[in-house]
Amino acid sequence: DGGITQSPKYLFRKEGQNVTLSCEQNLNHDAMYWYRQDPGQGLRLIYYSQIVNDFQKGDIAEGYSVSREKKESFPLTVTSAQKNPTAFYLCASSMGQGTSSYTFGSGTRLTVV
Amino acid sequence: GENVEQHPSTLSVQEGDSAVIKCTYSDSASNYFPWYKQELGKGPQLIIDIRSNVGEKKDQRFAVTLNKTAKHFSLHITETQPEDSAVYFCAARKNNNNDMRFGAGTRLTVKP
Repeated sequence: DGGITQSPKYLFRKEGQNVTLSCEQNLNHDAMYWYRQDPGQGLRLIYYSQIVNDFQKGDIAEGYSVSREKKESFPLTVTSAQKNPTAFYLCASSMGQGTSSYTFGSGTRLTVV
Repeated sequence: GENVEQHPSTLSVQEGDSAVIKCTYSDSASNYFPWYKQELGKGPQLIIDIRSNVGEKKDQRFAVTLNKTAKHFSLHITETQPEDSAVYFCAARKNNNNDMRFGAGTRLTVKP
């Protein structure tokens, strides 16, 4: 089955640590996205990538980094510079620009301990 | 940039009743409007979408209407069931834009 897989489902980070969230898709989608979701709030865009080896900052990119070395993979690193990283992180993919919907992963819940 | 507002933030209905969620958008160039359902601890799932060249679309118990002049669109759920309880998000996107803008979400509770 085609889909988008995020791992791990739960992640705990100590103060000052960098952590990397995995996102893999086998839908042959060109574009991939990372969103942050806080309790009771909507989705805020962190980074997106339209093609391999290219990515753009979203609305809340500070304290995060990404890479897009393969079409199927778009990992997100939450760095120690992100002061309030506890949140639910969602990865999505789409065919690209235009009137195409997003397919979301099941999310990673990151908690700072 | 695009701004999407969604109302109400919470909605409670009795099983079998209808539910309506409304969204407005700011960018008249937006031409694609999906609706997503998110269950607790999961990612959002697309339930229905509409493009700007049509005014209404139905899929079983779900329907979406679009008023381009007023820049608003609505989700209608008929014959609600307890399993419809979730958070629903509207979104807007345009052809030359690289991302989708989401509303803040509506928590729908269907009471049996």
